[in-house]
Amino acid sequence: QVQLQESGPGLVKPSETLSLTCTVSGGSIRSYYWSWIRQPPGKELEWIGYMFYSGSSSYNPSLKSRVTILVDTSKNYFSLRLSSVTAADTAVYYCASSLSGDDWGPLGYWGQGILVTVSS
Amino acid sequence: QSVLTQPPSASGTFGQRVTISCSGSRSNIGSNHVYWYHLLPGTAPKLLIYTNNQRPSGVPDRFSGSKSGTSASLAISGLRSEDEADYYCAAWDDRMNRYVFGTGTKVTVL
Repeated sequence: QVQLQESGPGLVKPSETLSLTCTVSGGSIRSYYWSWIRQPPGKELEWIGYMFYSGSSSYNPSLKSRVTILVDTSKNYFSLRLSSVTAADTAVYYCASSLSGDDWGPLGYWGQGILVTVSS
Repeated sequence: QSVLTQPPSASGTFGQRVTISCSGSRSNIGSNHVYWYHLLPGTAPKLLIYTNNQRPSGVPDRFSGSKSGTSASLAISGLRSEDEADYYCAAWDDRMNRYVFGTGTKVTVL
């Protein structure tokens, strides 16, 4: 069974770049679609985007200009970079994988989430 | 503001059946698959239902999903204390060109 674990700084300064990594175990990085989702405090879940190892990807249009998702096939992890952050980017960030390699939609496996606060 | 609307709360006593609704539109639920997720703070979210009514391996058959037109629902039968959590529906939205989550429903076991 795929297991995921987010890691990265819990505090980022405004205007800087938020960088998170999701370590994958129990499954091949080439076998699933890899997604990021976030939940601001007291708000709903928000989809950020997904990437397949081949380069196939899709991003939330409201974040697309600031987001990069990369998949590292040599190290079995994927990452999120969100540039020019503001306080509105403060959230619990989750990494997730598809349930299978056939369809990216069902987010079958999730990490526990990491709280990232944007503050000076 | 989410395009998928859920009731903010739902409750039932031990062993009862609870149903959570998810109201959308033609561009999301009306055209695409619906997914349901279970969230408990501090734990990894869990996929309960995919493709409207399919359960992943390991999800008990107490959980069932359905879809009709532009609405979907999740039913939890035989309610247990461990079912206390937040539940979210989700679907792709063709108009907004993104995956959207519902407003979320907090389930309480009385």
